[in-house]
Amino acid sequence: AQSVTQLDSHVSVSEGTPVLLRCNYSSSYSPSLFWYVQHPNKGLQLLLKYTSAATLVKGINGFEAEFKKSETSFHLTKPSAHMSDAAEYFCVVSDRTGNTPLVFGKGTRLSVIA
Amino acid sequence: EAGVAQSPRYKIIEKRQSVAFWCNPISGHATLYWYQQILGQGPKLLIQFQNNGVVDDSQLPKDRFSAERLKGVDSTLKIQPAKLEDSAVYLCASSYREGPYEKTQYFGPGTRLLVL
Repeated sequence: AQSVTQLDSHVSVSEGTPVLLRCNYSSSYSPSLFWYVQHPNKGLQLLLKYTSAATLVKGINGFEAEFKKSETSFHLTKPSAHMSDAAEYFCVVSDRTGNTPLVFGKGTRLSVIA
Repeated sequence: EAGVAQSPRYKIIEKRQSVAFWCNPISGHATLYWYQQILGQGPKLLIQFQNNGVVDDSQLPKDRFSAERLKGVDSTLKIQPAKLEDSAVYLCASSYREGPYEKTQYFGPGTRLLVL
């Protein structure tokens, strides 16, 4: 069985300061891990994904995440927040083949204050 | 490349009425998914198609929900009769297989359903 826990339901940061969105996972298989972003009234957009290569994964819009097997974590970071980053972020787990359903966390709402 | 298309974008109905949602996946994507996203939660898979065959419908409430993908391209999800708890965003996604691997899922904008 697979599951994802997003440790914060809401994170608020000031524009220009670092962003940290936390995610822990549980998986019976070697996992693939994803971060998706959802802006209001828009579809889910893939930010980045980890399969089996480098543990530090770089995504779009300056986001990156590090896979830490010993901590079962996949936290999302960005050095400097922009107003346009305000959105809902979902951490997602699947198996390496992609043949098991995506399991989503409950989401973290990121607010960026001017 | 055109993305996943969904219609309508919004729908308001009364309980016990029926409703249908349409999805057209990215061209060449054989796998199509329907998800339900209730407010404040992450999306939950309802049904997965591979071409026109059902791969997984274990989370689909089959007493009221049905879905089809007759020609292996676009798909329709139907609810009949609707209940208040069906109020949610219904997301469609598609992907393709490369050997034994199912590649990244791409999502449409969703249909927001409100049941009164």
